[in-house]
Amino acid sequence: GQQLNQSPQSMFIQEGEDVSMNCTSSSIFNTWLWYKQDPGEGPVLLIALYKAGELTSNGRLTAQFGITRKDSFLNISASIPSDVGIYFCAGRKGSGNTGKLIFGQGTTLQVKP
Amino acid sequence: EADIYQTPRYLVIGTGKKITLECSQTMGHDKMYWYQQDPGMELHLIHYSYGVNSTEKGDLSSESTVSRIRTEHFPLTLESARPSHTSQYLCASSESGALSGEQYFGPGTRLTVT
Repeated sequence: GQQLNQSPQSMFIQEGEDVSMNCTSSSIFNTWLWYKQDPGEGPVLLIALYKAGELTSNGRLTAQFGITRKDSFLNISASIPSDVGIYFCAGRKGSGNTGKLIFGQGTTLQVKP
Repeated sequence: EADIYQTPRYLVIGTGKKITLECSQTMGHDKMYWYQQDPGMELHLIHYSYGVNSTEKGDLSSESTVSRIRTEHFPLTLESARPSHTSQYLCASSESGALSGEQYFGPGTRLTVT
């Protein structure tokens, strides 16, 4: 079936460093979303992207909808310990009332103070 | 802030028992979803609903069933729990229309079947 390839699988960085992760697919998506999940909790929506080429920021987070519509990336600047968690990308093929989300495998981020 | 609730948060139950996982949202969203997630792994859609009296199976086959009698309530039932059902179950909801891709998740129910 359709699949999103998310990389890297895990990252261990020093506090203050910038982080970059991405999601790719062989299929075209009309919507890309990025979520963060803390242990034992549900995913929390960080950023939603709806147009190819769109670049959107949310505080220290910046995400882009790839121009080919087959990829997206998420950057975190100046990481802090509370950035620790699992980051998931999700893509949706339909628009309007149609289309379900497909999730990537997640990127586990650990931040060393 | 998303207002979507799941109970119980944790459940340990013996094989063969019937269980119902509750999910409620107060945002008036038409669409609701159930996902299954093993620890640290990706989410797999098992059921979804686009409105009252509408339910569909998701991409991952599941022995569970769902119902949608009220807009705000989307319970999931396992008639006879088995150890293979041990997992985290996440409920989500979204608006209809242009923003329907933005799904908001509950805190999840971690189910252990012994």
